[in-house]
Amino acid sequence: EAGVAQSPRYKIIEKRQSVAFWCNPISGHATLYWYQQILGQGPKLLIQFQNNGVVDDSQLPKDRFSAERLKGVDSTLKIQPAKLEDSAVYLCASSLLGRAIDTQYFGPGTRLTVL
Amino acid sequence: QKEVEQDPGPLSVPEGAIVSLNCTYSNSAFQYFMWYRQYSRKGPELLMYTYSSGNKEDGRFTAQVDKSSKYISLFIRDSQPSDSATYLCATTGFQKLVFGTGTRLLVSP
Repeated sequence: EAGVAQSPRYKIIEKRQSVAFWCNPISGHATLYWYQQILGQGPKLLIQFQNNGVVDDSQLPKDRFSAERLKGVDSTLKIQPAKLEDSAVYLCASSLLGRAIDTQYFGPGTRLTVL
Repeated sequence: QKEVEQDPGPLSVPEGAIVSLNCTYSNSAFQYFMWYRQYSRKGPELLMYTYSSGNKEDGRFTAQVDKSSKYISLFIRDSQPSDSATYLCATTGFQKLVFGTGTRLLVSP
């Protein structure tokens, strides 16, 4: 079974530029998550999709971050404009149904550096 | 106060040692408790999952939850160099996982 795929793996941009990350979840998984993991910290949930609807985006900085999951499969997370404090690893995860007992499977992450 | 507190380490032990990793949490609504392992430049992977107070064992790993003191532990017996990673505790009451900062473990041969 293929895991969660993410691209790119690494991205370096200047502040105020825009950037987009892509995620392809495990086939058949209804729930998709985007997390931000700052160096030395645990992952923090940014947004959770159930199929193509948003379940929780309470911690998403909506003035600069946006995410979509068209057709309930792939997802894209965008930052525009980027700030220095956005430097982090952006992790995508998926689970079968999004229940608390469902295992979340994580991708390898995209490491973003904002200069 | 953070919802989940975890000592960031690093924790350095010799091969074969028993390792104890710990977390505390503040919200008594949390019901599910997990330990994730994260190797360098990889995503976290689920290691152990428990629902109630008590112990759960899986090979060399034992997860322990004490809801009365809001304390979560992971024990690793006969630690191996391949166990060197960051261990993240996580908990949830409903759907959103809340992670600790992670403890970096180094097991030397």
